[in-house]
Amino acid sequence: EAGVTQFPSHSVIEKGQTVTLRCDPISGHDNLYWYRRVMGKEIKFLLHFVKESKQDESGMPNNRFLAERTGGTYSTLKVQPAELEDSGVYFCASSFGQETQYFGPGTRLLVL
Amino acid sequence: GDSVTQMEGPVTLSEEAFLTINCTYTATGYPSLFWYVQYPGEGLQLLLKATKADDKGSNKGFEATYRKETTSFHLEKGSVQVSDSAVYFCALRNTGGFKTIFGAGTRLFVKA
Repeated sequence: EAGVTQFPSHSVIEKGQTVTLRCDPISGHDNLYWYRRVMGKEIKFLLHFVKESKQDESGMPNNRFLAERTGGTYSTLKVQPAELEDSGVYFCASSFGQETQYFGPGTRLLVL
Repeated sequence: GDSVTQMEGPVTLSEEAFLTINCTYTATGYPSLFWYVQYPGEGLQLLLKATKADDKGSNKGFEATYRKETTSFHLEKGSVQVSDSAVYFCALRNTGGFKTIFGAGTRLFVKA
């Protein structure tokens, strides 16, 4: 069974540009999460989808970040416009209900 | 709010040495506790978990016991290998909750 996949694995963009990250959860997982790790600090929760609905977006840092999960399958996280402090590793995870969350390999974002 | 504190790294050990990575938590409810590991160039993997007090999680020679009286979940391994070099994250998730709260991570280097 395929795990959580994320695309791209790395992205280098300039300040002010737009970047879109994609996450494909494990098939059948209704819950999808975004987290990020900035500058070697702790991994922080960004938001949680149940199917296509945002259940909790309390961790989203500001309105430059937009997450969608159309159709309740894959999800995208768009950063527009990107700022230097957005650099970090963005992780996606999925779960079936409240069972174990399985994480993807992450997208390493560098904003110059 | 809920939080996880783990020992700062990096931790450098020789092969076959004993490993302890300390982790303590603060939580309002009765959380499940986790250790995740990130090997170089890879994503986060669940290493072990414990869901209630006095439970011991174990996997790949690693162990951690859920100590409610000391609010701790220290990770131990009796004899580390070079292949154990990675970043280890302690984490919690409250009962009924979906948000996983992570510590800052501890980088482990094991020398041959």
